[in-house]
Amino acid sequence: NAGVMQNPRHLVRRRGQEARLRCSPMKGHSHVYWYRQLPEEGLKFMVYLQKENIIDESGMPKERFSAEFPKEGPSILRIQQVVRGDSAAYFCASSPARGVPEAFFGQGTRLTVV
Amino acid sequence: EDQVTQSPEALRLQEGESSSLNCSYTVSGLRGLFWYRQDPGKGPEFLFTLYSAGEEKEKERLKATLTKKESFLHITAPKPEDSATYLCAVQAGSGYSTLTFGKGTMLLVSP
Repeated sequence: NAGVMQNPRHLVRRRGQEARLRCSPMKGHSHVYWYRQLPEEGLKFMVYLQKENIIDESGMPKERFSAEFPKEGPSILRIQQVVRGDSAAYFCASSPARGVPEAFFGQGTRLTVV
Repeated sequence: EDQVTQSPEALRLQEGESSSLNCSYTVSGLRGLFWYRQDPGKGPEFLFTLYSAGEEKEKERLKATLTKKESFLHITAPKPEDSATYLCAVQAGSGYSTLTFGKGTMLLVSP
């Protein structure tokens, strides 16, 4: 399967713990986008990365959230000191180049904070 | 600010009962309008991209159309397996830009 791969599919964390979400883009894609889907809400853009660079993090909360896309390995979305309001589905999409829309999404990671 | 509004929020159809879903948008410089299907617990599955007013695309029982202010997803003779949430998103502006999504229309097709 050459699609966008996300893991884990489900993640349970206690309040105050850290959550790490991983995304491997489609083969040949070097641009990764993270979106969050809250219950009853549409998908909201969080951050756009190219390998080793953050291009746009305008949708990322200022505190506790960070993202990286290293030269080797998957993109990581990290949430420190999770709170109940962080419970959501987090989706990753990828594209081959800047300006090419991120049409293809992964299956998502469902984070539950207890 | 780019805005995307989908209606209705939910739609219940009998098998074979054709209907349309609406996506209205307000953007500065539309570059593309996207339709996705999302099943419960899954990621959005790409259906169509429309780029200019008057454009139409078809896939099986689905047909997407685009005007300068809105897009329609027409479902002809739906089957229960068409039940899903249908998402609309726009890409606007110049250079790179990310997608702005509507909240979706939840479609339920009963046998």
